[in-house]
Formats: sequence, structure tokens, C-alpha cells
Amino acid sequence: GEDVEQSLFLSVREGDSSVINCTYTDSSSTYLYWYKQEPGAGLQLLTYIFSNMDMKQDQRLTVLLNKKDKHLSLRIADTQTGDSAIYFCAEGGYNKLIFGAGTRLAVHP
Amino acid sequence: DAGVIQSPRHEVTEMGQEVTLRCKPISGHNSLFWYRQTMMRGLELLIYFNNNVPIDDSGMPEDRFSAKMPNASFSTLKIQPSEPRDSAVYFCASSFGTENTGELFFGEGSRLTVL
Repeated sequence: GEDVEQSLFLSVREGDSSVINCTYTDSSSTYLYWYKQEPGAGLQLLTYIFSNMDMKQDQRLTVLLNKKDKHLSLRIADTQTGDSAIYFCAEGGYNKLIFGAGTRLAVHP
Repeated sequence: DAGVIQSPRHEVTEMGQEVTLRCKPISGHNSLFWYRQTMMRGLELLIYFNNNVPIDDSGMPEDRFSAKMPNASFSTLKIQPSEPRDSAVYFCASSFGTENTGELFFGEGSRLTVL
């Protein structure tokens, strides 16, 4: 069945880069997504990548996709305290997304 | 623009009571999803509707849980009777099913505590 796995915690120093990793199982996923959840709020789409792409860059965010290994990563450059949140990797198509457990990113001075 | 609206935001109830969670999706969206979030199990898809029709309810934990979508602008998730293990944050999300990216728009969640 479909499954998405990611590490649970990441701690980085302010100004450093953060890299959050994810592995997934469904090779038929049309898109892969990164969602962000701030405390007490719902999830919001951060960025996504089409399954036939290897990389997508959006300002401080870089998404890398390795389809062969079914590995997705999110790099946040110059990490700020406002980036502290839970980041969810998700796979799926138009009507159903399967989410990972979420990686809690803590940014310290 | 109004996003996905959920109510109540917080509910505390006693074991055995009926709980009804409500959701108003974004106008024009034709897919609606109910997710449950707990520390132990993360974010679980409970059920989703497309054009008001339940498509996949395989994530509904047991018969105590039921969901309805009587029209395009309203859905309910009901737990009867509730149990302490049902304590979680329940999220509703909607999307326009044939949109390019399939992005889900989440409500702020309903935090349920069953004592």
C-alpha cells in the first residue's frame, strides 16, 4: 500500500540550511508535496513538484526528487525562526493525498 | 476569501457522548476530505467525498464514525459513542479535484478531547 516516511525531528541553527527528507512508495504519484503546519493551525501547501521533474527551486526552497529511489527532499536556505513548524511530505494525485508523519523543525539562535 | 471553515474549534466531552464536527469547504471545490491528527499516528485520511459522494471511507476507524455530505457546502463527521482514544485534532480539507496540482486547502481543525 501507499506509505510515506520521514524523520520526526530536525534541529538547526538560525542562518544554516535545513534539509528534510522523505521516502514514498507509490511510484504512480502525479505530484509530490511539501506542506507546512504552524502551531494551532491547519496544513498549508509550501511547494510541490511534478513527478517528471528532478528539481524545483522557489526562493529559499529547493525540492529534489529521486524517482529511482523514491526519495524527496526539501532544503530551506538561510533558515529563520519563522520556519519553525512541522513539515509534511505527501504523495498522491488529484483526489487523494497520503501524508508522512511530519518532521518537526526547530530553529535555534 | 473565506477558507475552509470548521466548527467547533475545541470540544471537550465525556466518554459515551455523541460528537458532531462540521465543515464548510471552499466554494467551488468539489472534493472534501476528513483527516485525523494524533501524536501517535500522525495525519490519517478518514474519508473523502467527490461531488458529495463518499469515494473512499477505508480510513474510518470503526462503525462509531460516520460522515455525511448532504450538499456541496457542508459536511459532518459524527462519532457515536465517543471514546477517549478518539481524542485528536480533526481536519477538514477541500480541493478542486481537476485542478492542476490537486492542492488541498485545510481548515484550522477541531480539537476533540474525550474524557
